[in-house]
Order: sequence, then structure tokens, then C-alpha cells
Amino acid sequence: QLQLQESGPGLVKPSETLSLTCTVSGDSVSSNDYYWVWIRQPPGKGLEYIGTISYSGGAYYNSPLNSRVTLSMDTSKNQVSLNLNSLTAADTAVYYCASRQWQMYYFDSWGQGALVTVSS
Amino acid sequence: QSVLTQPPSVSAAPGQKVTISCSGSNSNIGNNYVSWYQQVPGTAPKLLIYDNNQRPSGIPDRFSGSKSGTSATLGITGLQTGDEADYYCATWDSSLGPEGWVFGGGTKLTVL
Repeated sequence: QLQLQESGPGLVKPSETLSLTCTVSGDSVSSNDYYWVWIRQPPGKGLEYIGTISYSGGAYYNSPLNSRVTLSMDTSKNQVSLNLNSLTAADTAVYYCASRQWQMYYFDSWGQGALVTVSS
Repeated sequence: QSVLTQPPSVSAAPGQKVTISCSGSNSNIGNNYVSWYQQVPGTAPKLLIYDNNQRPSGIPDRFSGSKSGTSATLGITGLQTGDEADYYCATWDSSLGPEGWVFGGGTKLTVL
């Protein structure tokens, strides 16, 4: 059973860049069994898909965030990371990492989430 | 505005049955598998149903899923107070690229 844990700063200033890390235990992030997904949830609102990074490092992004987000992978630390730049208050949310198994169409393991507040 | 449409809220008494709908289009629900997630306030979403109607191990058979055309439905029977949560449908939208995942806006279930 996979375990995922997000970590990062709880407070970031507008216009700055958010960096979040998801540490994976239970398997390797480079295992060809998994895709790693980031999803966020603004306070009181629904879930929004951000992007996916595959076991090989290929990344796919949700169009509205495409120009501001970068996903990466550090196999030595067994981590995947999210960078989101040019932050505004609208980026305030709980950020989740989750896993999707290869050729499966659902997210079966989730981290506990990391609340990020964008404020000066 | 979510790509998938869910009712904002539903309610029913303990022991009763409730259904939650999720409406989409041919590019998403109509041609792809639907999954459902339960989110108890303050916690991460949890997979409830996958591939339209399959339950992960540990999910009781009180929870069921179905799909017809461009709509999907989550059913919960024998409602318990512990079922109070937000429920989200999700699927892949082929018009959005190779990883075009979309969610419904969520439905808040109240067990009266």
C-alpha cells in the first residue's frame, strides 16, 4: 500500500513561487506502475486537477495552469514535486498528491494534503 | 464551473437510500470510466467507486455506482451518520489531452 505525504511552506507571498514535495513510500516513484498526480482544493470549494508526472518523468498539465506549473521527480529521494509561479490569492488551497496506476482510471492513494495560503 | 455537473447537496434520513448524479458529455463520461470519491470534512478524498461500478476492498456494498450514456450515479443504501461527507465524481475528458482529468463540483450529503 502506497503512502504519500505532502510538505512545503504554509504561507507564500503573492507573485512568488510555491514549491511542494510529495514523498512516496511503499514503492519507487520511477516504478512503471504509477503516475503521480497533483490536485488542489480551494477553501470551501471542489477538487481541481493540476497535472500528472509519469514514472518516466513526462509531465502533463491542466490547461488553465499550464503556463505557471512545473512537475518534477527526484528518484534519489523518492519524491515528486510541484512548482507553481506567479501566485495570487486564488491559488490558496489544500494541495494533494495522489497516485494513479498504469492503465487504471482512478486515483487510489492520496496524501493528507498541504494547506497553502497566498498572502502578503 | 465544473465540466461534470453534480447537485450541490442531497439529504436523507438514517437507514434510507440516496442517489447522487454526475452529468457530463460524450468526451468524458460518455466514453470513459467514472470514479467516485468520499471526502469527510478536514480529510483527504478517498476512492469509493472505480470503473463506473467497482468497489475497492474495504468499501461496503451499501455503496454502488452505475453509468448510462453521459451520466453516472452513486447510490448509498442504509444511510449512516458516518456517511455525511462530500462526494465527487471524476473521469478523463479526451478533449483535454492525454491527462485531461475532470471532477464534478461535489455533492454534500446530509444524513438528517
